[in-house]
Amino acid sequence: QLQLQESGSGLVKPSETLSLTCTVSRGAIDSSNSYWGWLRQPPERGLEWIGNIYYSGLTNYNSGDTYYNPSLKSRITISVDTSKNHFSLKLNSVTAADSAMFYCARFNIPMAGFDYWGQGILVTVSS
Amino acid sequence: EIVLTQSPGTLSLSPGERATLSCRASQSISNRYLAWYQQRPGQAPRLLIYGTSNRATGIPDRFSGSGSGTDFTLTISRLEPEDFAVYFCQEFGASVWTFGQGTKVELK
Repeated sequence: QLQLQESGSGLVKPSETLSLTCTVSRGAIDSSNSYWGWLRQPPERGLEWIGNIYYSGLTNYNSGDTYYNPSLKSRITISVDTSKNHFSLKLNSVTAADSAMFYCARFNIPMAGFDYWGQGILVTVSS
Repeated sequence: EIVLTQSPGTLSLSPGERATLSCRASQSISNRYLAWYQQRPGQAPRLLIYGTSNRATGIPDRFSGSGSGTDFTLTISRLEPEDFAVYFCQEFGASVWTFGQGTKVELK
């Protein structure tokens, strides 16, 4: 079954850019049935959706489209690298408030739910 | 943005008891766009219910979901030891996907 694994720096300095990658295995990232998403969860807090990317691999009109949480939209970029079967998150101008467990997940479009998740990566923003 | 309010914040129950968790939306949601997740300590969330009432793959039938409009419910018919966890509802209908703040089901 599908597996997702986050990687990246666990410690980022204030004002710098957080960069994370989610490697997808046992499945292709160019799937018309999937969004690839990032979510985060501050310690002892609830979940926050960061954004999704859709990449079908086909030349349809919305392949490559991104959907971002408006509260973060000015600071985030989500992209796909099909040659490596991974997708990435960049969050710039970070502050301590961005410290959280970050998860990547697959959103199953027909089902309407995040059905596969990575184990999460803890990112701390500190000088 | 749709705000999801879960209640109660904490539910203290014993194994074998029934758990009823509520998720109330600030505006009406299509049934298709409401899901429930379980999160055990130190683990990623796990999809339990999608489309308000459909169990995800491998989810035991003691878990059930119901509701419509602005009021949704997750029911665990008989609690097993592994069910003591935090449960979140999520909606996808608006441009911002939001989660409820969670209900913790703890051992009484």
